[in-house]
Amino acid sequence: EAGVAQSPRYKIIEKRQSVAFWCNPISGHATLYWYQQILGQGPKLLIQFQNNGVVDDSQLPKDRFSAERLKGVDSTLKIQPAKLEDSAVYLCASSLVEGNEQFFGPGTRLTVL
Amino acid sequence: QKEVEQDPGPLSVPEGAIVSLNCTYSNSAFQYFMWYRQYSRKGPELLMYTYSSGNKEDGRFTAQVDKSSKYISLFIRDSQPSDSATYLCAMSASSGTYKYIFGTGTRLKVLA
Repeated sequence: EAGVAQSPRYKIIEKRQSVAFWCNPISGHATLYWYQQILGQGPKLLIQFQNNGVVDDSQLPKDRFSAERLKGVDSTLKIQPAKLEDSAVYLCASSLVEGNEQFFGPGTRLTVL
Repeated sequence: QKEVEQDPGPLSVPEGAIVSLNCTYSNSAFQYFMWYRQYSRKGPELLMYTYSSGNKEDGRFTAQVDKSSKYISLFIRDSQPSDSATYLCAMSASSGTYKYIFGTGTRLKVLA
């Protein structure tokens, strides 16, 4: 069974630029999560989708971050404009249904200069 | 006070030692308790997934949950250099969004 796929693996941008990350969850998984992991910290949930609907986006900085999961499968997370403090690893995870074990992708390491 | 507290380490042990990793939490609504292993520049990998109190064993790994003390542990027997990684605990409630709350992670180094 293929795992969670993410791209790109690394991205370096200047502050105020925009960037987008892509995630393809495990086949059949209805729930998709985006996490932000700052160096030395545990992952923090940004947004959770159930199929193509948002379940929780309470910690998503909505003035600059947006995410979508249009067809209930893959998802895109965008940052516009980026700030220095957005430098982190952005992890995507999926679970079969809400409440089941979450499986993580390899992450996208973002550096904002 | 953070909802989940975890000593960041680093923790260095000799090969073959028994390792004990711990987390404490403050939210009594947590019912699901997970341990993830994260190698450098990789995503977290699920090691153990437990519900409510008690023990769960899987090979060299044992997870313990003590809800009365709001304390969870992961034991690694016969530790190997390949166990060197960061270990993250995570917890969630049994209703609502089931949002995972992670600890900061403990860095473990097993010396050959």
